[in-house]
This record gives sequence, C-alpha cells and structure tokens, in this order.
Amino acid sequence: NAGVMQNPRHLVRRRGQEARLRCSPMKGHSHVYWYRQLPEEGLKFMVYLQKENIIDESGMPKERFSAEFPKEGPSILRIQQVVRGDSAAYFCASSPQAYGSGNTIYFGEGSWLTVV
Amino acid sequence: AQSVTQLDSHVSVSEGTPVLLRCNYSSSYSPSLFWYVQHPNKGLQLLLKYTSAATLVKGINGFEAEFKKSETSFHLTKPSAHMSDAAEYFCVVRANSGNTPLVFGKGTRLSVIA
Repeated sequence: NAGVMQNPRHLVRRRGQEARLRCSPMKGHSHVYWYRQLPEEGLKFMVYLQKENIIDESGMPKERFSAEFPKEGPSILRIQQVVRGDSAAYFCASSPQAYGSGNTIYFGEGSWLTVV
Repeated sequence: AQSVTQLDSHVSVSEGTPVLLRCNYSSSYSPSLFWYVQHPNKGLQLLLKYTSAATLVKGINGFEAEFKKSETSFHLTKPSAHMSDAAEYFCVVRANSGNTPLVFGKGTRLSVIA
C-alpha cells in the first residue's frame, strides 16, 4: 500500500506565476488535509477536504489559494500569482475517516515551493 | 482553542545518553497528543500518540512519552540516543471535538554528538 504521494517534490516559480501541487491519498482514504511549513516553523493547517467537498478551510489565505479534491484524481492545491512569501513546504496528509474518531493521519513527503 | 509550546528549539545530546524533548499543551477539550519526527527534506513520521488510554505511551524506535494532565505536559524521552535520531521533532495536539485540525508546535531540533 503506497503512502501519500505528493508531486512535484520541488517546484520553482517566478513571482506572478501559478503553482499547482498534487496529492494522491493512501488507498482507501477519502479525507485529505493540507498543511504549510514556513522556514523554522511548525506546520500550519490550511484546509481539510473530503471527496468533492471542502470541510474546513479556516487556515487558507482568503486570496490566491484554492484547493479541490475531485471525485476522480488527486487533490490539488493551487496558488495563483505567487509571491516570495509563498515559498514553503506544503504537506498533504490523508486518513480513512475524519479526525474525530482518533484516527492517525498520514503525511506525504511534501512539496517544496520556491518563488524567485 | 489548542496550542502547543515546545520548550527547547534545539537539544544536543551525546550518543548513548538519554533524550528529553519537552512539550506543554493547552486544549479546551480533552486532547489527543502526538509526536512526529521529520528528517531533513522528508515528510513526517508518527512516533507515538496519546488518545485517552494509558498515560505512558510507547512509540517506535525506543521513544516514549507520558501524558501528565496536572502539568499539561507530554514530554518525549528515549533512554539512549542514536546518531540516526538526529532530526526535527514536533509535538502536536488535537482537541477531541468535531473536525478540529492538528496544531503543531514549532519543533525541536535534536542533534546527536558521537
């Protein structure tokens, strides 16, 4: 059973371009979470999605950021018009059920975005 | 609301000596607590978790942590450090209520000296 797969692992974008980060959850997992790690910081929650639904996006910046988890295919975190402050590691995690049942969530290896 | 304070940003120990990484938490609800480890440019690996069962939790690679409600602490320990333990360690709290997300501490970087 493959783990949570993220790609690309490393992405370089110029200011103003778009960044798309993809996450394929573990097999059988329908709950996906995105976290951002800024340099020298812990991970900060961004968004929680279930298939075709956004459950909690309280950690998402109001502008330029969006996330989806379609019925088919991976979850996508999209950042439009990137700025230098978006440079960070973006981690995806998945679980078979929601947080509330005490389930462990499993993290991918992250996507490192560098904005130049 | 939930929060986590990792009391040391960097801990350095000699190989073969004990490891202690300190963590204090606050939570409006009964918490679940976790320790994750992150090796350089890698993802996070779960070391152990506390979810209201036994207060002394044993994890992988010889690590363990004790939940102390009166002290709101969840310190991570290991009797004898190995070189391979050098990494970043994150203490994480989640309230056992609804879909509240994981809240991470800022991390403690563990260095192991030969």
